Amino acid sequence: AQKVTQAQTEISVVEKEDVTLDCVYETRDTTYYLFWYKQPPSGELVFLIRRNSFDEQNEISGRYSWNFQKSTSSFNFTITASQVVDSAVYFCALSEDRDRFYFGTGTSLTVIP
Amino acid sequence: DAGITQSPRHKVTETGTPVTLRCHQTENHRYMYWYRQDPGHGLRLIHYSYGVKDTDKGEVSDGYSVSRSKTEDFLLTLESATSSQTSVYFCAITHGQTNYGYTFGSGTRLTVV
Repeated sequence: AQKVTQAQTEISVVEKEDVTLDCVYETRDTTYYLFWYKQPPSGELVFLIRRNSFDEQNEISGRYSWNFQKSTSSFNFTITASQVVDSAVYFCALSEDRDRFYFGTGTSLTVIP
Repeated sequence: DAGITQSPRHKVTETGTPVTLRCHQTENHRYMYWYRQDPGHGLRLIHYSYGVKDTDKGEVSDGYSVSRSKTEDFLLTLESATSSQTSVYFCAITHGQTNYGYTFGSGTRLTVV
């Protein structure tokens, strides 16, 4: 069973639109961590955010915001007023312990100027 | 930025030949990982290491071996390369457990012809 599901394979938006990337996870652990990484066209993987299972507060960082809801096992990522530089593949990931770090299959976001 | 480098960055090799990819870190981190990235699969764990000579298998370890004789180097060997091992390979490090998140290398694009 997939532990992290990113159902949106590809998304295209016009610049300045808001866009939400969905992430649904599955775990039986009470302590776990969730992450988002960005992979721009250059290929490197860039850390965006880390959230632990005990902290359900939403996080906002500039145009980026994250909505963590344990009730629905979701950790969604919203980009407000999207820009061309936001075009990338975004990965959601789950860590249950030091041995396992599960990635979703990624969502490819294209922001059209 | 964390000092983590992968070499080579690109490689083309023939089916049946052995190939070794190198991950080098200057952070003295204990934990190191090898992932492969393929379309539709996200990143999948090949092998990981908790320290010198302490390695273990991930979910897609068949056809791969690893070695860690020094803290700073983690080598991934394709014993007899196959076309199904054409992929982008990422090394990752973390100073503690995975719940602190990874720092990734820049990746190695391997093509097996």
